[in-house]
Amino acid sequence: KAGVTQTPRYLIKTRGQQVTLSCSPISGHRSVSWYQQTPGQGLQFLFEYFSETQRNKGNFPGRFSGRQFSNSRSEMNVSTLELGDSALYLCASSTGTKETQYFGPGTRLLVL
Amino acid sequence: GDSVTQMEGPVTLSEEAFLTINCTYTATGYPSLFWYVQYPGEGLQLLLKATKADDKGSNKGFEATYRKETTSFHLEKGSVQVSDSAVYFCALSSYGGATNKLIFGTGTLLAVQP
Repeated sequence: KAGVTQTPRYLIKTRGQQVTLSCSPISGHRSVSWYQQTPGQGLQFLFEYFSETQRNKGNFPGRFSGRQFSNSRSEMNVSTLELGDSALYLCASSTGTKETQYFGPGTRLLVL
Repeated sequence: GDSVTQMEGPVTLSEEAFLTINCTYTATGYPSLFWYVQYPGEGLQLLLKATKADDKGSNKGFEATYRKETTSFHLEKGSVQVSDSAVYFCALSSYGGATNKLIFGTGTLLAVQP
């Protein structure tokens, strides 16, 4: 089975722009979670989607949003980018609740 | 709230040395516990997991035992290799509720020298 894929792998944006990141989970996985990784804050949970519904959300401003499609693919969007949004954004998928999560390679976002 | 504390790095060892990376947690109920590894430029890979007290997770020579009495899940390996150089993250999945949210420790950088 193919693993979790994320596109694009690298992005450079400027402050004030918006960005959309994509995640394709492992086939058959219905849960997709997003995490932000930065040197200062470490790995922080953004949100989780299960069967197209947001099930849990981390402590991030409303500029961070996401959605999940009927094929379980997920996108996250960050509007009005700030320098502090520069990070590695990781997506993870699993078959269901409390099951092992498998991570993608991440999208590295640089905001200038 | 739930949290994970792991030892600060970097940890520098010679090849074939014994490795211990300490991890303790604070959580309500009975969380599942995980160790993930991150190699440079890559995402996280699950190394091992344990879902209940006294469970021992093991993989590729690494082991960790879920100790409820000490709220710990220390990672050990008897003989490290240069290829084990990476950042190791301890994590928990909260008990209860329909969620897959993982809470991570800060990560421990392991550098193994030949």
